[in-house]
Amino acid sequence: DAGVIQSPRHEVTEMGQEVTLRCKPISGHNSLFWYRQTMMRGLELLIYFNNNVPIDDSGMPEDRFSAKMPNASFSTLKIQPSEPRDSAVYFCASSLRGQGAGETQYFGPGTRLLVL
Amino acid sequence: AQKITQTQPGMFVQEKEAVTLDCTYDTSDPSYGLFWYKQPSSGEMIFLIYQGSYDQQNATEGRYSLNFQKARKSANLVISASQLGDSAMYFCAIPGGGADGLTFGKGTHLIIQP
Repeated sequence: DAGVIQSPRHEVTEMGQEVTLRCKPISGHNSLFWYRQTMMRGLELLIYFNNNVPIDDSGMPEDRFSAKMPNASFSTLKIQPSEPRDSAVYFCASSLRGQGAGETQYFGPGTRLLVL
Repeated sequence: AQKITQTQPGMFVQEKEAVTLDCTYDTSDPSYGLFWYKQPSSGEMIFLIYQGSYDQQNATEGRYSLNFQKARKSANLVISASQLGDSAMYFCAIPGGGADGLTFGKGTHLIIQP
């Protein structure tokens, strides 16, 4: 079975450019999560979708970040304009029924973003 | 708010020895669970094991087991018969907090030596 798919795996861009990260969750999973991992802050949740609806985006750092989930099999995380401090690994994860005590989140391979 | 503490930034262990990775947590939720993930040098996050707060027996998945002590709020990961391929970062996580996802600890960098 295919796991969570993310693209691109690596992205190098210049400050000020728009960056779009893509995610395909595991088929049948109703919830999707975007995380960011940095050395300084570790793993942080950015936003969580349930049944394609954003539930809480309080983890999104700034208005430069936006996320969409137009259908059950696709989500994007966009940064516009990008800044060097956005450099991180961005993970997408999905779970069957969403947030809860026993709901395992399965992670994609991540996108390594470097903003010069 | 949920909090996870992993007190061992790094560990060196001889191959074939058992390893215990520490994790303590703090939560106000009456029902919760603890997750462990492995992140090898390639970068992916791999789910290892889960235990719910009301589970009676400690969870086991192959060589992985959870030493869950609810009164002490600890959920240590035990890896039996360690292998070179176990070298990785290990993260403990608990649901809730922030934007309603998983709250992760800082991780433990485990290095298995031949």
